[in-house]
Amino acid sequence: GENVEQHPSTLSVQEGDSAVIKCTYSDSASNYFPWYKQELGKGPQLIIDIRSNVGEKKDQRIAVTLNKTVKHFSLHITETQPEDSAVYFCAASGGNEKLTFGTGTRLTIIP
Amino acid sequence: EAEVAQSPRYKITEKSQAVAFWCDPISGHATLYWYRQILGQGPELLVQFQDESVVDDSQLPKDRFSAERLKGVDSTLKIQPAELGDSAMYLCASSLGDIEQFFGPGTRLTVL
Repeated sequence: GENVEQHPSTLSVQEGDSAVIKCTYSDSASNYFPWYKQELGKGPQLIIDIRSNVGEKKDQRIAVTLNKTVKHFSLHITETQPEDSAVYFCAASGGNEKLTFGTGTRLTIIP
Repeated sequence: EAEVAQSPRYKITEKSQAVAFWCDPISGHATLYWYRQILGQGPELLVQFQDESVVDDSQLPKDRFSAERLKGVDSTLKIQPAELGDSAMYLCASSLGDIEQFFGPGTRLTVL
């Protein structure tokens, strides 16, 4: 089955700086890669996703890149704000609608 | 904005007791998922429904867990008997079937 690894497990950045979270996946058949943000005591919230026919996708301050050759995808958050502090999860799906999640990154924005 | 509803939000029970969680997906979403999220880890799929049918329950501990979606709308996940290791967040998600999944707020279960 699919295996998703996520790094780093914790990340602290100064407000206004950029944050990058990286994931790798194992199944070359995976073709859908969402990113979720989870705040304390809440369910994961989909913030951006990318499909395997696209190399990069941007939505305001967040962007996701995908490199299928090396099975890597990354989340980039620019101009970070205190409300960006949360746990972020990457996930991968091979088309059977089953998501395999990474282990999460706790992002802390330092004011 | 349509949301996935779950209840209760918190549940404390003693081991060997039975517990049940309820989920109401976004209206029109045919696919419903139950996940378990252990503290500090990502969600892990327990069961997936397409309408009222189970599509994948390979990771559901069937000796103690059961799930149903009788009319293809809302769903119930039951644990009987609960064990200490079942303490976790139980998340429900739904989708139109195009992979994009929307999660509810979860039920935090504590087994004493």
